[in-house]
This record gives sequence, C-alpha cells and structure tokens, in this order.
Amino acid sequence: EAAVTQSPRNKVTVTGGNVTLSCRQTNSHNYMYWYRQDTGHGLRLIHYSYGAGNLQIGDVPDGYKATRTTQEDFFLLLELASPSQTSLYFCASRDRYAEQFFGPGTRLTVL
Amino acid sequence: SQWGEENLQALSIQEGEDVTMNCSYKTYTTVVQWYRQKSGKGPALIILIRSNEREKRSGRLRATLDTSSQSSSLSITGTLATDTAVYFCATDAGVVGQLTFGSGTRLQVYA
Repeated sequence: EAAVTQSPRNKVTVTGGNVTLSCRQTNSHNYMYWYRQDTGHGLRLIHYSYGAGNLQIGDVPDGYKATRTTQEDFFLLLELASPSQTSLYFCASRDRYAEQFFGPGTRLTVL
Repeated sequence: SQWGEENLQALSIQEGEDVTMNCSYKTYTTVVQWYRQKSGKGPALIILIRSNEREKRSGRLRATLDTSSQSSSLSITGTLATDTAVYFCATDAGVVGQLTFGSGTRLQVYA
C-alpha cells in the first residue's frame, strides 16, 4: 500500500524564520507534490517534481522553495516565513494511473 | 457545486439518505478524480472517471462526467455516518502529472 510520510506534523515558527518540511514516499513513484490547504480554498499546488533533481512550479509558488534530493525525498523550504504561510501542508506522490497518495499533513503556524 | 475560489459548500443529511455533489471545471481534462478527506487526514481517492467514460460505479459511489458541459457529479447512495468528510473533485487540464482541486463539499451525515 502507498505510504507517504511527513515531518514534522506540527511546527510553530516566528515571522522571518527558516522552516523545512520533509516528505518521504516508499512506493517508487516518480511524481511528488507539495500542496497547501486553507479553509475555503481546497488544495493549492505549490511545487511538484517528476524525479530526483527536477522541480516544477505550481500555482502558488511565491515564498517557497523545494528540492527533490532522491526519488523518495521531497522538501519544502520557507526561508523567510510570513504569517500568510500559516496553513496545513500536504505532500503527495502519484502512481502511473494518475492517483495521488497523500501524507498526513503538517500544520505550520507562523507567529 | 464546487470550483475555483467558490466558498466551501456544505451539506447536512440523515443517515440512509442519498446525496449528489456537483463539480464544474473550466478547461479540458483527461480525467476527473474524486477525493474524500476525513477530519485530520489527507485526501484519499475514492473514484476516478476518464474523459471517454460517462459513468463509473464503485460500491455505493457513482460518478458521472459530461465533457460537453464540463461537469461531473458524485452520488452516494444509502449514506452512513462514516461518509462524513470533505469531498473534492480534481482535474488535470490535460497537463501530465498535475491536478487542480476544487474548493470541496463538506458532507455531514447524522446517525
């Protein structure tokens, strides 16, 4: 069964802080994604990747960097966190039939 | 119905009732995916319908797709309290590997 894990599960930081969210998938999927979820907005795509070293820009990339170091690991970086980035962040991977498998989410609060 | 920046829709029904949720999308898609997100969890795919299909069934779920009106529906028959969740539709706009999610429909089923 698909397994996507995220860490940390909860994070509190201050404005201007540096945050890294981690995601690992163990299913050898090529595609991985970072989304943010805010009330009333559904899921919005930040960045995605189709393999190690590859990065594609999503719909709401401003203020975020991402890096795919291996097929398994995808990181989301907030180098100067702002309160507007307070959100629930989900990582996902995609199989060849187009289904996306989501992790449990990371709740980030920027004070 | 859900899409884009529309506010999250909300439905409340009694267990045993049938319910239909609607989704309209703006551009061509090769597939419509319906995801269910239970409280505190990441979304999970429940049914997928491709552009060459008009209807797809899976247990108590039925999805329809009308490409001419760019709309899809998800019906649940004989709802259970465990169907309580937020339901999202997602489309790919013909872009390999990328999904765009609707704003979601919050379904509350009372026992």
